[in-house]
Amino acid sequence: KQEVTQIPAALSVPEGENLVLNCSFTDSAIYNLQWFRQDPGKGLTSLLLIQSSQREQTSGRLNASLDKSSGRSTLYIAASQPGDSATYLCAYIQGAQKLVFGQGTRLTINP
Amino acid sequence: GAGVSQTPSNKVTEKGKYVELRCDPISGHTALYWYRQSLGQGPEFLIYFQGTGAADDSGLPNDRFFAVRPEGSVSTLKIQRTERGDSAVYLCASTSTSGNTIYFGEGSWLTVV
Repeated sequence: KQEVTQIPAALSVPEGENLVLNCSFTDSAIYNLQWFRQDPGKGLTSLLLIQSSQREQTSGRLNASLDKSSGRSTLYIAASQPGDSATYLCAYIQGAQKLVFGQGTRLTINP
Repeated sequence: GAGVSQTPSNKVTEKGKYVELRCDPISGHTALYWYRQSLGQGPEFLIYFQGTGAADDSGLPNDRFFAVRPEGSVSTLKIQRTERGDSAVYLCASTSTSGNTIYFGEGSWLTVV
């Protein structure tokens, strides 16, 4: 069974810190990898999409990297803000567009 | 519409009852997905439609679950003889044929008592 593991499950840091969220997966033949944000009681918002031929994507204070050979992806958040508090999920595409999700990292940024 | 719309947003039903959950995807999106998310877990794939047909229904847990998309737009997820273990958030998502960005609705929160 293909699996996605996210570490840590929860993280609490003071405002302004840079932080890294980790995602590991067992399927090296992934098509692409996505990072999502989920606010409490809400759906998922796509943050960054990394195609299998790419190694990283950047959007504002967010940078996501992909290392298929090691089965890992990281999401780097620079200069964290309280508004970044949410659950962050990584997922890869399996087959014809079926997303396989990790359990998420619940992030809290303390003012 | 501007985004993926799901109704109802919340549904409480008694064990054994039948429920329907509706998803209205972004206009023009031909691909539609249903996922189920239990508390503290990531979403799990249920079914994927390309147009009117179910291209992949391998995630449906058993034959109590069924989904349709008769006109290639709105989809309905149907759950028969609900069980307490069916309690979860049911998320719908859609994508265009050419893009890879997937857009999720806010989900239908189902509670079976």
